[in-house]
Amino acid sequence: GDSVTQMEGPVTLSEEAFLTINCTYTATGYPSLFWYVQYPGEGLQLLLKATKADDKGSNKGFEATYRKETTSFHLEKGSVQVSDSAVYFCALRMDDKIIFGKGTRLHILP
Amino acid sequence: DTAVSQTPKYLVTQMGNDKSIKCEQNLGHDTMYWYKQDSKKFLKIMFSYNNKELIINETVPNRFSPKSPDKAHLNLHINSLELGDSAVYFCASRGGVNYGYTFGSGTRLTVV
Repeated sequence: GDSVTQMEGPVTLSEEAFLTINCTYTATGYPSLFWYVQYPGEGLQLLLKATKADDKGSNKGFEATYRKETTSFHLEKGSVQVSDSAVYFCALRMDDKIIFGKGTRLHILP
Repeated sequence: DTAVSQTPKYLVTQMGNDKSIKCEQNLGHDTMYWYKQDSKKFLKIMFSYNNKELIINETVPNRFSPKSPDKAHLNLHINSLELGDSAVYFCASRGGVNYGYTFGSGTRLTVV
């Protein structure tokens, strides 16, 4: 079935470091892809999305490109901040269902 | 102003009790969902309703019963609560095929 695999955390970085969180997917069709962020004690918020191959989603300095050839949607940010500490979920949507990866906890040290 | 609101935010109850979690969205969306997030942060879909009609029902015990009185509300009733039901439950809604999901802030259920 359809699934999402993302790198296990926690990921710990210093402020201003470069961030990559890997995400790959398996799907029978052409899903839309998303990154959601969950800050401590809060619900999920949509961070960015891409609906077709080669689309790049971007928001708040984060970027991810829909790569059909490698079935990937890696999240990147050039310079992370302490306020980026959260759990990040990669997700795909097929038909009327959204499937989440297991989440990657990110810690940014000042 | 809250787009998707859930109540209560926290719920502590004893095993065997019956409890309900309510969800309301003021976005005019047609589709609503319940997700369960376990202690390891893994999110799993439970139910989906479109315009008051059940369209997704994943493998969830019969003790869980969703109810949608109108398309702005999707409530979750749980009978005979068990320790393993302890989790954070998220309600979400979606306006259409090309729209993302809007999530509520979650209900942390603790069964003791």
